[in-house]
Amino acid sequence: SAVISQKPSRDICQRGTSLTIQCQVDSQVTMMFWYRQQPGQSLTLIATANQGSEATYESGFVIDKFPISRPNLTFSTLTVSNMSPEDSSIYLCSVERSPGGEQYFGPGTRLTVT
Amino acid sequence: KQEVTQIPAALSVPEGENLVLNCSFTDSAIYNLQWFRQDPGKGLTSLLLIQSSQREQTSGRLNASLDKSSGRSTLYIAASQPGDSATYLCAPPNTGFQKLVFGTGTRLLVSP
Repeated sequence: SAVISQKPSRDICQRGTSLTIQCQVDSQVTMMFWYRQQPGQSLTLIATANQGSEATYESGFVIDKFPISRPNLTFSTLTVSNMSPEDSSIYLCSVERSPGGEQYFGPGTRLTVT
Repeated sequence: KQEVTQIPAALSVPEGENLVLNCSFTDSAIYNLQWFRQDPGKGLTSLLLIQSSQREQTSGRLNASLDKSSGRSTLYIAASQPGDSATYLCAPPNTGFQKLVFGTGTRLLVSP
């Protein structure tokens, strides 16, 4: 398995501001992902965080809105930029130790934008 | 593009019952499928990973089956307990990728 922590666990932010969410894993992993879960919905993949290169974004998500960093094999950040109330969601990171293996999720960051 | 459907959307049962949760997916060219549970306001807990070469995978009171040809997976919960109350999510990957696609889940409530 993997032990994953996320910071902050929750936050309330004002419209137009930005929030950076951190994801830390207890050991090196090959793949790291960021998901969004809007209220009452299932999870949607935002992007794959690539170590040492630009993240790979899914359709409907752009780097200017959701910049991602992954400086090493145990850490990644997701920034939600220029927030609006529609960005209110739970943001989750997940990791995969080896290709095709089991994915593990962090506890999530609950974001409310007012 | 992979699409996932889970039936039923919600299920309420008394403690002790055996349960079957169903998952169907449109693209059967998958190499594995994962089942998760999510407690309200929390992250996801991995329950079972079933490889495409397997037909079943068991962990305690949980048993998952996979029928790739028909695009179906089933999660069987034996002797349900109130602690099993959660949303159960099925997630096969998108074709050729490691990116999971999630269904909308089955919300389970087990009453004492």
